[in-house]
Amino acid sequence: DTEVTQTPKHLVMGMTNKKSLKCEQHMGHRAMYWYKQKAKKPPELMFVYSYEKLSINESVPSRFSPECPNSSLLNLHLHALQPEDSALYLCASSQEVLAGTDTQYFGPGTRLTVL
Amino acid sequence: SQQGEEDPQALSIQEGENATMNCSYKTSINNLQWYRQNSGRGLVHLILIRSNEREKHSGRLRVTLDTSKKSSSLLITASRAADTASYFCGLLTGGGNKLTFGTGTQLKVEL
Repeated sequence: DTEVTQTPKHLVMGMTNKKSLKCEQHMGHRAMYWYKQKAKKPPELMFVYSYEKLSINESVPSRFSPECPNSSLLNLHLHALQPEDSALYLCASSQEVLAGTDTQYFGPGTRLTVL
Repeated sequence: SQQGEEDPQALSIQEGENATMNCSYKTSINNLQWYRQNSGRGLVHLILIRSNEREKHSGRLRVTLDTSKKSSSLLITASRAADTASYFCGLLTGGGNKLTFGTGTQLKVEL
């Protein structure tokens, strides 16, 4: 199974809502990632988890809160978002966080719209 | 920051023709990867070339890397309509697995 799944596929939320994005992989990968992609732009890294510990936070605002409950699951909790946070949120995984070795497997993304 | 610049931004060709896209970058890399993204979907890994390699092949894909010029190219031979997508180079630098993507090339293959 080389699949990364993400739920929901689409999400519309108001600026006062609290919602969560979910990501799951069953490839035994120990590194997981969140990316944000605006229209016609490349994906931008947000967070990296290695062995269920946060290893990289790319200065993401605190209204985005990642969580890695176990080695297969990655969540992104959203609270008090702004309309400019509307984007495609992509999850990815790789075997380990080792320089120069790993390819990343991406999920299909969650299309988020903040009203 | 280390973002790759890709050119062309957009490329439109006929089915059967070859498509070439280029990625240039500024600092040293551990490896360079190419990904494809169909409209509004996730990225699919195509090929990885390490900093000590000059050329790699995978099916209809050929990737070259010139570290002295800090550039890479992706060649898709005998293109098909199904190759229509955005293509991104991904630069792996430093420690860890931080991947920085290039600006992307939108390829359209017409029947």
